[in-house]
Amino acid sequence: QVQLQESGPGLVKPSETLSLTCTVSGGSVNSGSYYWSWIRQPPGKGLEWIGYIDNSGNTKCIPSLKSRVTISVDTSKNEFSLKVRSVTAADTAIYYCARYFFYDGLDVWGQGTTVTVSS
Amino acid sequence: DIQMTQSPSSLSASVGDRVTITCRASQSIITYLSWYQQKPGRAPKLLIYAASSLQSGVPSRFSGSGSGTEFTLTISSLQPEDFASYYCQQTYRLLTFGGGTKVEIK
Repeated sequence: QVQLQESGPGLVKPSETLSLTCTVSGGSVNSGSYYWSWIRQPPGKGLEWIGYIDNSGNTKCIPSLKSRVTISVDTSKNEFSLKVRSVTAADTAIYYCARYFFYDGLDVWGQGTTVTVSS
Repeated sequence: DIQMTQSPSSLSASVGDRVTITCRASQSIITYLSWYQQKPGRAPKLLIYAASSLQSGVPSRFSGSGSGTEFTLTISSLQPEDFASYYCQQTYRLLTFGGGTKVEIK
């Protein structure tokens, strides 16, 4: 059974870069059928999809974040990563990684990791 | 961008009630619509995909319907464990979530 686990710093200073990693166990990021996604949820608010990557490194991101976001995959480590540059308090959120089966939704989620942007 | 609008944003219901949540898309998304349940402090859980297909392991009291721009999630008989927030999501062009519906105990 595929499991996902997010990891990374819980506190990031304004204007710096937020970096998170999602480790995949029980399956492979090399699977051609899936896309590997990042989603976030600000405190007390709804869900926002950030972007996804396939095992070939092709990415898609929400337009409003595209200039600040990089999503990458490391097939040798069976993990994928998120970087958000020039963060502000508005980037404070729970960040989730998830597996996306194209058109059919996000069927496996990590437990989420809280990132706070503060000096 | 495709916008997703859910209604109501919250509702109060009793155990055993039939509950319906609506999601509207700003343009046709055919049937590329998923529903999720989220409990406090937990990651979302996929309930329905392709508008009406029940995800494996999800109780049959959950059902989805609709096509084009209007969709519904129905819980036929609300159970205590169903009090949670529910989100729709379009997967037709990139991914977009609706604003969510919080189902509370009456």
